Amino acid sequence: DAGITQSPRHKVTETGTPVTLRCHQTENHRYMYWYRQDPGHGLRLIHYSYGVKDTDKGEVSDGYSVSRSKTEDFLLTLESATSSQTSVYFCAISAPGDEQYFGPGTRLTVT
Amino acid sequence: DQQVKQNSPSLSVQEGRISILNCDYTNSMFDYFLWYKKYPAEGPTFLISISSIKDKNEDGRFTVFLNKSAKHLSLHIVPSQPGDSAVYFCAASGSNTGNQFYFGTGTSLTVIP
Repeated sequence: DAGITQSPRHKVTETGTPVTLRCHQTENHRYMYWYRQDPGHGLRLIHYSYGVKDTDKGEVSDGYSVSRSKTEDFLLTLESATSSQTSVYFCAISAPGDEQYFGPGTRLTVT
Repeated sequence: DQQVKQNSPSLSVQEGRISILNCDYTNSMFDYFLWYKKYPAEGPTFLISISSIKDKNEDGRFTVFLNKSAKHLSLHIVPSQPGDSAVYFCAASGSNTGNQFYFGTGTSLTVIP
């Protein structure tokens, strides 16, 4: 299995609070991604990174920000969580041109 | 705008028979296609891929077929086993997607013993 972990694995938070999810890899892969999975929508890209400090938006980036200060860590921040951000969040990594490897996911509930 | 579509949310198949999962795409620049398998409470795992220079790729019980003119790919599993019961996602990327992958909405496969 690819060395990719996510923390926390579960989180319940209240509307309006900030939340940060962490993705950590030990594979030294260049690309890192954050997706959310919702029923009927599959996997939708939130943000991705193509190198340290190099990030770009995906199709559902509103309300989310990311940071990558080290190759191995990619952080996803919800500045002010809303109920619509209740979801399962997956981090993924890949080498250029290769398939993605996914983390185990973080289940976030915003009450 | 969904660039990758899986129009069948679910599929049930008898053990030992063939499972055929379908996927359609709209972006003619896609040149790399993948299938992922996902069990509940786990992350998706890579299953098989195909590049646009081929029309078939086989790995054991799993075969992916690509029809570029129809913008259609399919995953064949034969023989199907109960452990194949999972959600299957197709994904695509291309020269104009900057290493981004676009996923379908998934098909839930149930293999009945």
